[in-house]
Amino acid sequence: DVVMTQSPLSLPVTLGQPASISCRSSQSLVHSDGNTYLIWFQQRPGQSPRRLIYSVSYRDSGVPDRFSGSGSGTDFTLKISRVEAEDVGVYYCLQGTHWPPYTFGQGTKLEIK
Amino acid sequence: EVQLVESGGGLVQTGGSLRLSCAASGFTFSDYRLHWVRQAPGKGLEWVSVIERDVTTTTYADSVKGRFTISRDNAKNTLYLQMNSLRVEDTAVYYCARDPGDYWGQGTLVTVSS
Repeated sequence: DVVMTQSPLSLPVTLGQPASISCRSSQSLVHSDGNTYLIWFQQRPGQSPRRLIYSVSYRDSGVPDRFSGSGSGTDFTLKISRVEAEDVGVYYCLQGTHWPPYTFGQGTKLEIK
Repeated sequence: EVQLVESGGGLVQTGGSLRLSCAASGFTFSDYRLHWVRQAPGKGLEWVSVIERDVTTTTYADSVKGRFTISRDNAKNTLYLQMNSLRVEDTAVYYCARDPGDYWGQGTLVTVSS
């Protein structure tokens, strides 16, 4: 199984400051079809997960442009350019290249300092 | 508007069974693969199962293989998860999600007690 490792697991950030979450996979996520199936989700307290980014760097409709995804191969990053109060929650990466199983990272809890 | 609404969760003893449902609306149900994902209390997300558009092709996580059965009724726009031989470690909120993760339901809580 592909292991997804996120860091940090806890991320205290000052409002208006940038934030960055790393997600590393135990093997390359480049599919034989040439695509990389790496997704980022946000889960606000008490809510269902919400997809933010798909295929590494494509932002979902309605997601603020302060969120961006990047990376390739085994190393991926979610960046928030300026953290706002509504960004508090847990962020997960998910790989869909080598399944079954689909595998999530452990989650990174973002909180406001 | 796309909506996924889960139901059927509840309290059950170890070894018991439950059937979860996920009612879908706002999109052409038969055009999409559908997943079940679960989240134990205070823990992260765990993929459980996926069913293809063809209704017959299903895949499971090792942790539920042989005990859970995913199915769908494209005429009723409904996804199901039959859960048998339930264990304490199956306690979780169960979400249905449209592939590739763009829409999720609100979740339904399954509690397995010993």
